[in-house]
Amino acid sequence: QKEVEQDPGPLSVPEGAIVSLNCTYSNSAFQYFMWYRQYSRKGPELLMYTYSSGNKEDGRFTAQVDKSSKYISLFIRDSQPSDSATYLCAMSADDYKLSFGAGTTVTVRA
Amino acid sequence: GAVVSQHPSRVICKSGTSVKIECRSLDFQATTMFWYRQFPKQSLMLMATSNEGSKATYEQGVEKDKFLINHASLTLSTLTVTSAHPEDSSFYICSARSSGKNIQYFGAGTRLSVL
Repeated sequence: QKEVEQDPGPLSVPEGAIVSLNCTYSNSAFQYFMWYRQYSRKGPELLMYTYSSGNKEDGRFTAQVDKSSKYISLFIRDSQPSDSATYLCAMSADDYKLSFGAGTTVTVRA
Repeated sequence: GAVVSQHPSRVICKSGTSVKIECRSLDFQATTMFWYRQFPKQSLMLMATSNEGSKATYEQGVEKDKFLINHASLTLSTLTVTSAHPEDSSFYICSARSSGKNIQYFGAGTRLSVL
C-alpha cells in the first residue's frame, strides 16, 4: 500500500464546473499538507498549504484536511481552461520530506 | 516571493560526460534543498536532501558517486550527474525549504537528454 493514494484520473470537466480532487494517506504523523499544480514539463507550483486539520480558502481554491479520516481535498470553483494541469497532493511530518500522491491530470474543456 | 531558479532548463550531452544543474533560492535563504527525479506521467521521486554546509543524504538506491550534490551556501545547491548514461535521461527538479517553514518551493526543472 502506498503511503499517499491519489486517483490519477484523467478528469475532464466543462469550463465553469467545480473540480474536486482528493488524497488519502496512511501515516498518522503527517501534519503538513500541500497541493501543487504542475504544467507539462514544468516544476510544481504551490497552490495551497495547510497545517493540521481544517479548511483554507484562497480565491477559487479551497483545501480541506480531515486528519481523523486521513483525507484531504482540493476544490477549484469556476474552473477555467488554464486550470488544465496535473495536481499533486503532498504531505510531510516533522522531517520535512514530502510524500507525494501520483497526481491527477485535469482537463477543463472550453 | 519564494522564487527558486533552476538552470539549465534543458541540456543535451554525450554519454560519458558530466552535467551540472544549479538551483538557487532568489528571495529567501534555503536551510534545506531537495533534488527530485520525475519520469513521464509519474510523480516526483526524491533523490537526496542537502543541508547547507553538510553532506547530502541520499535516498535508498540513489548512487551518491554518480549524483554529486553540493550545497555551498544558503541560496545555492548544485547537482552534478557524472559520467552520464542514456538511462540518466530524465526530468530533474530541485526544491528549497526556507528556515522555519515546512513548505518546499520548486524550480522549473531540467530536462536532461544523454545521447
